[in-house]
Amino acid sequence: EPEVTQTPSHQVTQMGQEVILRCVPISNHLYFYWYRQILGQKVEFLVSFYNNEISEKSEIFDDQFSVERPDGSNFTLKIRSTKLEDSAMYFCASREGQNSYEQYFGPGTRLTVT
Amino acid sequence: AQTVTQSQPEMSVQEAETVTLSCTYDTSESDYYLFWYKQPPSRQMILVIRQEAYKQQNATENRFSVNFQKAAKSFSLKISDSQLGDAAMYFCALHNDYKLSFGAGTTVTVRA
Repeated sequence: EPEVTQTPSHQVTQMGQEVILRCVPISNHLYFYWYRQILGQKVEFLVSFYNNEISEKSEIFDDQFSVERPDGSNFTLKIRSTKLEDSAMYFCASREGQNSYEQYFGPGTRLTVT
Repeated sequence: AQTVTQSQPEMSVQEAETVTLSCTYDTSESDYYLFWYKQPPSRQMILVIRQEAYKQQNATENRFSVNFQKAAKSFSLKISDSQLGDAAMYFCALHNDYKLSFGAGTTVTVRA
């Protein structure tokens, strides 16, 4: 069964460093998302991406964040200068199309900023 | 604005018994979709069941079923014949337009 994959599973970085989190969505899906979950808290929407551009973003997704689909398979989230409060689980999700509303999640990347 | 409320932080159930998780939501839209996701200790988010708001019939997926009350904006999940593998955090989520909005989650423990 096709699935969303994410790498790395765990990333440790120092405050101020740039990180890139990688995702490979399900191959025929058209909508892509990033969510984050701070430990012990609810899952929060960051950004949605469709047709090679951002569809919507939350107030969390400030200028420090960017997303890219550099080729036909990868979908990346970049954090330019990490802060301690960026420590969280980051989930990528994909959705097939306009008439399908299920979002399928990857296993997540645990980001630890020290 | 959309909000999803799960008022039960924790629920415990005896193996083979039934447990019901509650969820209420608020949205101004008439067309939307509701989901329950399971998050085991691995923290993977697993889709359990979905419900389209325009459908009156409650969704069922094996041992999982929902009670969808559109007028009350209520969407509860029933787990029947609970198994040890059902132990996890369960999130209710509302999909509208471009994103999922999640509740705070309910931790389900299953007693052997």
